[in-house]
Amino acid sequence: DAGVTQSPTHLIKTRGQQVTLRCSPKSGHDTVSWYQQALGQGPQFIFQYYEEEERQRGNFPDRFSGHQFPNYSSELNVNALLLGDSALYLCASSLVGSGRETQYFGPGTRLLVL
Amino acid sequence: GNSVTQMEGPVTLSEEAFLTINCTYTATGYPSLFWYVQYPGEGLQLLLKATKADDKGSNKGFEATYRKETTSFHLEKGSVQVSDSAVYFCALRGSQGNLIFGKGTKLSVKP
Repeated sequence: DAGVTQSPTHLIKTRGQQVTLRCSPKSGHDTVSWYQQALGQGPQFIFQYYEEEERQRGNFPDRFSGHQFPNYSSELNVNALLLGDSALYLCASSLVGSGRETQYFGPGTRLLVL
Repeated sequence: GNSVTQMEGPVTLSEEAFLTINCTYTATGYPSLFWYVQYPGEGLQLLLKATKADDKGSNKGFEATYRKETTSFHLEKGSVQVSDSAVYFCALRGSQGNLIFGKGTKLSVKP
C-alpha cells in the first residue's frame, strides 16, 4: 500500500520565481492538505482540497495556490517567491468520512529560496 | 482560537529513562488530539491519537491520555531508546479539518 508521495524532494529557486510542488495521496484517500514547516517550527496549514476544489484555507497570501486532479493528486504553486518561503512543504492525505479522519503525511519537499 | 502549547525542548535523556512531554490545548469543544513524530530529514509520522475525552492513545510503547479537565494530552514512555530520538509534535484537529500543531519538542536519547 503506497503512502503519500511528494516530488521533488529538494528544490532551489531564486526570489521572484515560481514553483510547483506535487503530491500523490495514500491509496483510497480523497482529500489533500498542504502545510508549510519553517525551520524549527511546527507545520502551518496552507489549504485543503477535496473534490477538486479548495475547501479550507489558512492564513497564507494569494501567491499560494493549488489544484487537485480527478485522480486526487494535488499541486501547490507559489508565485513571486520570497526568501521567507524557504521551508519544508508537507502534503497530507485523508479520507473524508466521519469528520474524525486522520491525516497521513508525505516526506515533504524542501524549498530553498535564494 | 484553537492552539497547542508544548513544553520547550530540547529534552536529553539516557537510554531506559522515563519520558514525559507536556502538551496542553485551547479549543472549542473536544477536538481529536494527535502526537506526530519527525525523524531527521523526514516528514511527519502519526504516533498516536485520541478522539474523545478520557481516550488513551498508544503505540510503540508511547501513551497519551485525553484529559478534558486539564485540557492536556501529555506524551509518556516508560523506557526510551536511542532510536526514539526525534522531534515530537502535539496537534489538534481544527473545526476546518486542518491540524494545528505545537512548536515541537526535540528529544535526544543518549546510550
